[in-house]
Amino acid sequence: EADIYQTPRYLVIGTGKKITLECSQTMGHDKMYWYQQDPGMELHLIHYSYGVNSTEKGDLSSESTVSRIRTEHFPLTLESARPSHTSQYLCASSVSSGLSGYTFGSGTRLTVV
Amino acid sequence: GQQVMQIPQYQHVQEGEDFTTYCNSSTTLSNIQWYKQRPGGHPVFLIQLVKSGEVKKQKRLTFQFGEAKKNSSLHITATQTTDVGTYFCAGRGSRGGADGLTFGKGTHLIIQP
Repeated sequence: EADIYQTPRYLVIGTGKKITLECSQTMGHDKMYWYQQDPGMELHLIHYSYGVNSTEKGDLSSESTVSRIRTEHFPLTLESARPSHTSQYLCASSVSSGLSGYTFGSGTRLTVV
Repeated sequence: GQQVMQIPQYQHVQEGEDFTTYCNSSTTLSNIQWYKQRPGGHPVFLIQLVKSGEVKKQKRLTFQFGEAKKNSSLHITATQTTDVGTYFCAGRGSRGGADGLTFGKGTHLIIQP
């Protein structure tokens, strides 16, 4: 079983609210990533981190922000949720060498009403 | 930038028939990965190919990496209902994504009993 955990699994929230999606991994991986995926669609990289205090924006522009204060923790925050943010958010991690695949979490399905 | 094209987008097969999905990159890749995502689930890493012309097998699944390291394929023999899902390739090149990893849009495999 994957040792990467995302909470909450499902979230319905009103427009304008601030939300934080949690992602934690117990594998000691240096690299972590956030992807956005609409149902049945492709994966879009929105943020990634190569280690503590390292964060980079991905290929898809996103209004969210991330932080990496601890190796195991990579939360994603939306300051003011909008209906356009409705999607599934997937967290993943990998070893530094890049010689293995990504381990994905189960995702957070976000609905903004 | 680097692009990874995957075809077909959808594939309907009868249970027991074979299935193949193809992945093509606009640039030479250092390696390519394959993932499977079940409906409602998250992507799960299947395999990574590194060498030119490499062929790997996992039970009924056969993965190939082209001689020029710009294309790859996944072939499933005698599909079963458990094979249903979306198959993504992800190519690692010199630019784009995180670690230079770019995901294709995926092939949705639909199996009719």
